Amino acid sequence: GALVYQYPRRTICKSGTSMRMECQAVGFQATSVAWYRQSPQKTFELIALSTVNSAIKYEQNFTQEKFPISHPNLSFSSMTVLNAYLEDRGLYLCGARDRLDFNYAEQFFGPGTRLTVL
Amino acid sequence: GDSVTQTEGLVTLTEGLPVMLNCTYQTIYSNPFLFWYVQHLNESPRLLLKSFTDNKRTEHQGFHATLHKSSSSFHLQKSSAQLSDSALYYCALSDTGSFNKLTFGAGTRLAVCP
Repeated sequence: GALVYQYPRRTICKSGTSMRMECQAVGFQATSVAWYRQSPQKTFELIALSTVNSAIKYEQNFTQEKFPISHPNLSFSSMTVLNAYLEDRGLYLCGARDRLDFNYAEQFFGPGTRLTVL
Repeated sequence: GDSVTQTEGLVTLTEGLPVMLNCTYQTIYSNPFLFWYVQHLNESPRLLLKSFTDNKRTEHQGFHATLHKSSSSFHLQKSSAQLSDSALYYCALSDTGSFNKLTFGAGTRLAVCP
């Protein structure tokens, strides 16, 4: 079956420091990976969409300078939160889509990385 | 841009009563995909239902929903609520041109009481 792993599951960082989170697809080839953030008491916001061999597309209010993403192959993606501050805390989800899944558009989500900023 | 509107806030039900969580959407695309995700406490969202076919009922784990393009709706229903159904429910939308971008509603918290 298709699985998505994310690590670390939880992380705490000091204000102004950076942290990197990883996303790995197992059992399928993740052509596209979407990174979302769920801030406390809020819904999921799309940060960026990463497609192998294409430019990464960032949503409004999110930038490459703040959230650089690497997507080197069909099973792995990473995102760094640079200079994290209180407003960056939340659950970061990786959603990956199977390149062979042309019909149902399902994204498989990892368990998330929960970021706490002190 | 796309938007999804759900039943707001908290829905509290007694076990055994029917569940109805509303979801309506706005999109410029004629062939949207609609999804319901369920998120239990401290877990990531899990796909519950999905549909892109107009007026066709889709079912899974006792829940069902029908996409109605005429009213831009995809309401989630269940005939009899169980305690284990207590969770956050998110309605989400993507379009066939960009499967990867999900637009989520604000979420509805369902609390089922004995």
